Amino acid sequence: KAGVTQTPRYLIKTRGQQVTLSCSPISGHRSVSWYQQTPGQGLQFLFEYFSETQRNKGNFPGRFSGRQFSNSRSEMNVSTLELGDSALYLCASSIGQGNEQFFGPGTRLTVL
Amino acid sequence: AQSVTQPDIHITVSEGASLELRCNYSYGATPYLFWYVQSPGQGLQLLLKYFSGDTLVQGIKGFEAEFKRSQSSFNLRKPSVHWSDAAEYFCAGGNYGQNFVFGPGTRLSVLP
Repeated sequence: KAGVTQTPRYLIKTRGQQVTLSCSPISGHRSVSWYQQTPGQGLQFLFEYFSETQRNKGNFPGRFSGRQFSNSRSEMNVSTLELGDSALYLCASSIGQGNEQFFGPGTRLTVL
Repeated sequence: AQSVTQPDIHITVSEGASLELRCNYSYGATPYLFWYVQSPGQGLQLLLKYFSGDTLVQGIKGFEAEFKRSQSSFNLRKPSVHWSDAAEYFCAGGNYGQNFVFGPGTRLSVLP
């Protein structure tokens, strides 16, 4: 069974731009969660989608948004990028909330 | 509020020595518990999980963890550490209907 895939793996953007990251979950997994990981803040939960509905959202500004498609693939979007948005963005899929999550390799975003 | 703590930010052990990484949780009900490992620049890999039943859980790469309800702990152990075990280790808690809560991580260094 293929694992969680994330594209692109690396991105370099400048302040004020926007970016879209993509995540394809493991086949059969309907829950997709997104995390931001930085050296100073660790792993921070962004949001979770299940069957195209956002079920939970972390404490991030509205510039961070996401969606999930009918095939469970998910995208997250960050608008008006700031330097502090530079991070590793991780996507994880699971069968449902509370179950083990399987992580993708992440997208490394650098904002200049 | 649910929380997961890992008291040790950084641990250094010699190759071949035993290892114990600490994890404590604070939940209203006993959560599902997980240990993940992350190599530099990579996603998180699931080492083991505890849902219920036997309190000693075996995982991959020779790791095990013991759930102790009385101490609200779920410590990770390995009898003999290999140089390739050097990585960041995350403890996480989850529950049905709730999102994962990750600890801050413990960085493991292995001396030759």
